Amino acid sequence: EIVLTQSPGTLSLSPGERATLSCRASQSVSSSRLDWYQQRAGQSPRLLIYDASRRATGIPDRFSGSGSGTDFTLTISRLEPEDFAVYYCHHYAGSPETFGQGTKVEIK
Amino acid sequence: QVRLQESGPGLVKPSETLSLTCTVSGASVSSGSLYWKWIRQPPGKGLEWIGHIHFSESTDYHPSLKSRITISLDTSKNQFSLTLYSVTAADTAVYYCAGNGDYWGQGTLVTVSS
Repeated sequence: EIVLTQSPGTLSLSPGERATLSCRASQSVSSSRLDWYQQRAGQSPRLLIYDASRRATGIPDRFSGSGSGTDFTLTISRLEPEDFAVYYCHHYAGSPETFGQGTKVEIK
Repeated sequence: QVRLQESGPGLVKPSETLSLTCTVSGASVSSGSLYWKWIRQPPGKGLEWIGHIHFSESTDYHPSLKSRITISLDTSKNQFSLTLYSVTAADTAVYYCAGNGDYWGQGTLVTVSS
């Protein structure tokens, strides 16, 4: 089983600032089959990035993903008020699929 | 627009069986490009993949749940279902159905309690 470890656990930032979220895998994620989700309080997760770096339909270009192998990054270039939420990475490179434990981006 | 809606009981007694159905609109469960997934989230915790099914009827389950679950398709109703046997309090969670990662239901809270 691939274990995904996200850091930091909580990120305290102000609107307009840049957010950098990390996801490290316990073993290489083949074909970069990793995606990122945003979950606002009380809502279902929303797909932001798939295949490590491809933006999902309708996702603003302030969200970007990068990385390969075992190290992946989600970057939010300028935080908007609606971006304060919990973010999860997830791999679908094999069974079982797993999620990271989440990074909470909170208002400073 | 693709929509998914979970349905099922909100309360299940310990040792009994949890059954949930996901009704899909705007897409066909027979689509070869979509895996139909169940994911759960215990209160205040993170996400856990339960398993998925493809229109070819191939299934894949989380090893920790494999002995207790079945995921099935009903193409005539454009639905897919989750059955989880012998539930315990640890199975209390919001259960989501999803199509790949693109489409998600709103989630349904299932509480296991006597």
